[in-house]
Amino acid sequence: QKEVEQNSGPLSVPEGAIASLNCTYSDRGSQSFFWYRQYSGKSPELIMFIYSNGDKEDGRFTAQLNKASQYVSLLIRDSQPSDSATYLCAVVENDYKLSFGAGTTVTVRA
Amino acid sequence: ETGVTQSPTHLIKTRGQQVTLRCSSQSGHNTVSWYQQALGQGPQFIFQYYREEENGRGNFPPRFSGLQFPNYSSELNVNALELDDSALYLCASSRDGRDGDTQYFGPGTRLTVL
Repeated sequence: QKEVEQNSGPLSVPEGAIASLNCTYSDRGSQSFFWYRQYSGKSPELIMFIYSNGDKEDGRFTAQLNKASQYVSLLIRDSQPSDSATYLCAVVENDYKLSFGAGTTVTVRA
Repeated sequence: ETGVTQSPTHLIKTRGQQVTLRCSSQSGHNTVSWYQQALGQGPQFIFQYYREEENGRGNFPPRFSGLQFPNYSSELNVNALELDDSALYLCASSRDGRDGDTQYFGPGTRLTVL
């Protein structure tokens, strides 16, 4: 059973701080990785994707990928109350399907 | 907004009934994937359709079936509904379903089975 594991939440951070989210995956053949944000009662929306080892930055978000360690992370800098949501790590398996972790809920305290 | 639409928004059914959920993909996308998200969990892959053919299937029983039309819209059918089928059903469209192709989600259909 291929698995995607995320660090258990909830994660509470003060406004302006860095939120760090972690994800590990079991399928060594996976090549594509995504982070989605899901507000309560809404559908997932794409934040970032990453395919290559290393860091990828987009605004206040930085995704990090280490395929050797089967680890992908997301950093949210200068956290805002609007960042309060559940963050889903998704890994492509078998070349086409997304396998999701259970999500980490982030609360940003004003 | 992703351009992916789903209908209906909410649905209440009783155990044993059948349900059809609908999805219109984003313009230019020929691949639709369906996911089930139970409360407090991540989405679980049901199946994917690429150019009207089923491209892959997750660990769901045969009473979950689907269809994709020539305009690339799609339907998810669930027969003999069970209480555990209560969930948010998500449709996602992508350009061609290949590895690395981003999937964009619709707003979902909330199904409640009583």
